[in-house]
Amino acid sequence: KAGVTQTPRYLIKTRGQQVTLSCSPISGHRSVSWYQQTPGQGLQFLFEYFSETQRNKGNFPGRFSGRQFSNSRSEMNVSTLELGDSALYLCASSLANRGEYEQYFGPGTRLTVT
Amino acid sequence: AQTVTQSQPEMSVQEAETVTLSCTYDTSESDYYLFWYKQPPSRQMILVIRQEAYKQQNATENRFSVNFQKAAKSFSLKISDSQLGDAAMYFCAYRRTNNAGNMLTFGGGTRLMVKP
Repeated sequence: KAGVTQTPRYLIKTRGQQVTLSCSPISGHRSVSWYQQTPGQGLQFLFEYFSETQRNKGNFPGRFSGRQFSNSRSEMNVSTLELGDSALYLCASSLANRGEYEQYFGPGTRLTVT
Repeated sequence: AQTVTQSQPEMSVQEAETVTLSCTYDTSESDYYLFWYKQPPSRQMILVIRQEAYKQQNATENRFSVNFQKAAKSFSLKISDSQLGDAAMYFCAYRRTNNAGNMLTFGGGTRLMVKP
C-alpha cells in the first residue's frame, strides 16, 4: 500500500501571500490530521478531518483552514502568510478517528515564508 | 489541557549500549494512549511504540520497551542494543481515548545521538 503523500514537498512564499498544501491519505483511511512543526513551538496540532467534517481544531488563528474531500484527500490553506508560518507541515492519516487505530505520517511539506 | 514534557533535549549513547529517554505528562483523564515517535533526518515520523493507559503491562517492541508509571504520570522509553540507525529525534505523545479523535499532544523531543 502506498503511504501518506504530501505535495508539494518544498515551498517558498512571500509574506502576505496564501498557500495550499495537499495530503493524500493511505487508501481506505478516512481521518486526516495536520500538524505544524517549528523549532520554537515544536509539534502543534492544527486540525483533524473525518468523513469531510472537521472534528478537532487546535489553537491557531483563522488564517489557517482546511477541508477534506469525498476521497479523503485533504488540503490546508494559510492566508496572509507571516514569517512565523515558516514550518514543516505534517499530515497523518488513520482508518478512523478512534484511538485504537494507528496514525501514519507523511513526509511533510517544508514551507518557507520570506 | 494535557501537557507532555521531555526534560532531556539531547542524549548520547554508545553503540550496542542501552539508553532511556524520559517523558512526563499531565492529564486529568484516566484512560488515554501514550506513544513514542521517532523522527530521523528525513523528517518522516515513525511510530516506535504505544501504550494504552488501562494496560498495566509495559509495551515492548523488539529492542524498544517502555516503563509506564501511571500514578507518577511517567512514560520512559528504553532502547537496548543501540544501533547507529536509532539516531533521531524522539517524541513522546499523548492522545485521548476512543471517540475523542486523533489529536496528538507532543513533548518537545529528545535528540538521540549514537556513537560508533
